[in-house]
Amino acid sequence: EVQLVESGGGLVQPGGSLRLSCAASGFTFSDYWMHWVRQTPGKGLVWWVSRVSRDGSGTNYADSVKGRFTISRDNAKNTVYLELNSLRAEDTAIYYCVRGTEGPRDQWGQGTLVTV
Amino acid sequence: DIVMTQTPLSLSVTPGQPASISCMSSESLLYSNGKTYLYWYLQKPGQSPQLLIYEVSNRFSGVPDRFSGSGSGTDFTLKISRVEAEDAGIYYCMQSIHLPITFGQGTRLEIK
Repeated sequence: EVQLVESGGGLVQPGGSLRLSCAASGFTFSDYWMHWVRQTPGKGLVWWVSRVSRDGSGTNYADSVKGRFTISRDNAKNTVYLELNSLRAEDTAIYYCVRGTEGPRDQWGQGTLVTV
Repeated sequence: DIVMTQTPLSLSVTPGQPASISCMSSESLLYSNGKTYLYWYLQKPGQSPQLLIYEVSNRFSGVPDRFSGSGSGTDFTLKISRVEAEDAGIYYCMQSIHLPITFGQGTRLEIK
């Protein structure tokens, strides 16, 4: 069974940092790009945050997080990470990791809540 | 950034009746390879979004055939031929032809 399990969310003060992890299982992790997508509480708006290529050599970010967030992956551990620094109130959201190609596709994790 | 605009933002449908959601993009989603990078997701209450339709009109594995997608260029539609109670939730369209990848604001489907 394909599974994506996020962890690392929590309550943090403005300016603080968090490291999110997403553990993958049930598929060949290195065959897929991985994405982080966030959903704001309340209105439920969905925003793409970042992506990392299959081998980790390519990364992209939304302008709103560029320079503050860092995506990475460890294919030996089947895990993708998102380092969140200089957090702001507007970063408060549920963060999902999503399996995909150059775009998000079919498998989303259950999400981890970040509250700033 | 490509803006994705969904209409309506909410609709209430009686079981067995059809439903239709529109998604318009501010730029064409047709890529030079002939593919159009428009997707539809459904987020059921308390769950993560689940893929319904990829590349405009292809139903993802396990998606009932009452769901269909159509459109081209900048104008797309998701149709449910006969709504069932389990179809309640928020529907999102998404484009991935250009970064940043963007989503519509969502359409809430309520079952009467």
